Amino acid sequence: DAGVIQSPRHEVTEMGQEVTLRCKPISGHDYLFWYRQTMMRGLELLIYFNNNVPIDDSGMPEDRFSAKMPNASFSTLKIQPSEPRDSAVYFCASSFTVLANYGYTFGSGTRLTVV
Amino acid sequence: LAKTTQPISMDSYEGQEVNITCSHNNIATNDYITWYQQFPSQGPRFIIQGYKTKVTNEVASLFIPADRKSSTLSLPRVSLSDTAVYYCLPGGGNQGGKLIFGQGTELSVKP
Repeated sequence: DAGVIQSPRHEVTEMGQEVTLRCKPISGHDYLFWYRQTMMRGLELLIYFNNNVPIDDSGMPEDRFSAKMPNASFSTLKIQPSEPRDSAVYFCASSFTVLANYGYTFGSGTRLTVV
Repeated sequence: LAKTTQPISMDSYEGQEVNITCSHNNIATNDYITWYQQFPSQGPRFIIQGYKTKVTNEVASLFIPADRKSSTLSLPRVSLSDTAVYYCLPGGGNQGGKLIFGQGTELSVKP
């Protein structure tokens, strides 16, 4: 398996523009997680899905952020409009179980810079 | 969720054994203890997991005392490539899937 695939690897955009980050989980994994990492706040869980259904979005910072999972092999995280404070590395992770924090596989991340 | 305390940073030299201790005083009875490793510009990677006593795999050993209020990750004979951030994560028993990362320990291995 190619692992969790995220695209793009790097994104530079201007403030106010819409940004869409993409994630392909590992086949067979039915949990998908979106995280954001910054120097100041570390790794933050934004939202996670089970069987394509959002379970917990309490970490989504504000209404400018939205996430979807239209099918088992694809998820998007959208920011509209983007702001400089959204600059961070966004990670997607997937797992076949949530028990015992085991077997979570992370992608390589998307480094977002909003200027 | 159990709150964790780890050293912010540690330095070591190649070939040494490194022990990173994490405190999790309010760990729940059914929580496991999991350690993840994160290299610069990469996502975290699962290293090892345990519930009590000692667990060993090809990468590391994990020591958990009887009261389970702390755990120690042991890396034998570290190399430069072990330079990374190490996270301790108690939980998973019935948290419904939340993998919550603390600040982690930044390990720097020097030649």
